[in-house]
Amino acid sequence: DVKVTQSSRYLVKRTGEKVFLECVQDMDHENMFWYRQDPGLGLRLIYFSYDVKMKEKGDIPEGYSVSREKKERFSLILESASTNQTSMYLCASRETGGPNEKLFFGSGTQLSVL
Amino acid sequence: GESVGLHLPTLSVQEGDNSIINCAYSNSASDYFIWYKQESGKGPQFIIDIRSNMDKRQGQRVTVLLNKTVKHLSLQIAATQPGDSAVYFCAENFGGATNKLIFGTGTLLAVQP
Repeated sequence: DVKVTQSSRYLVKRTGEKVFLECVQDMDHENMFWYRQDPGLGLRLIYFSYDVKMKEKGDIPEGYSVSREKKERFSLILESASTNQTSMYLCASRETGGPNEKLFFGSGTQLSVL
Repeated sequence: GESVGLHLPTLSVQEGDNSIINCAYSNSASDYFIWYKQESGKGPQFIIDIRSNMDKRQGQRVTVLLNKTVKHLSLQIAATQPGDSAVYFCAENFGGATNKLIFGTGTLLAVQP
């Protein structure tokens, strides 16, 4: 089975801090994604990456950046954390960018920004 | 049933009964659909998928039905068990250059012993 590992289960940060969320997948998947999940809003796509060093903005990229230096690792960066970025962050991977490909998710990182 | 919005619908069933969770999708051109299960404190877990050239697909204790005419998707769970308690949400493949998945907000399934 595909394993998508997010480095932290819970994080508490202060407003203005720079925050790094790390994600690693072990199945040599080309595509990786970062979502945030908020009550009543479902999963919203922040950024995604088709391959190493490639990134594309999702639906809500403002306040975030990403890094994909190695195929297995996709990092989400909050340059200056704000309270409205308190959320559950989910990383996912997918084998290719073709149609009909399901996403495999990590367990999530619950981030609280105080 | 499930729809994109600010509330989380809840379906309460007795253990052993069959459950039906509904989803209305938005794009008539979507060609691929997935159901995910998310237990409390965990990431979403793939349950079953269906392509738009099919009306029905069965898995172990689960069946997905697709009605393209009314853009409706349903997940049927047979003989619901306490371990089935979770949030279930559907996703549609919006197609286009990115093959982006659009997720619904979910339905909470509560199984009563």
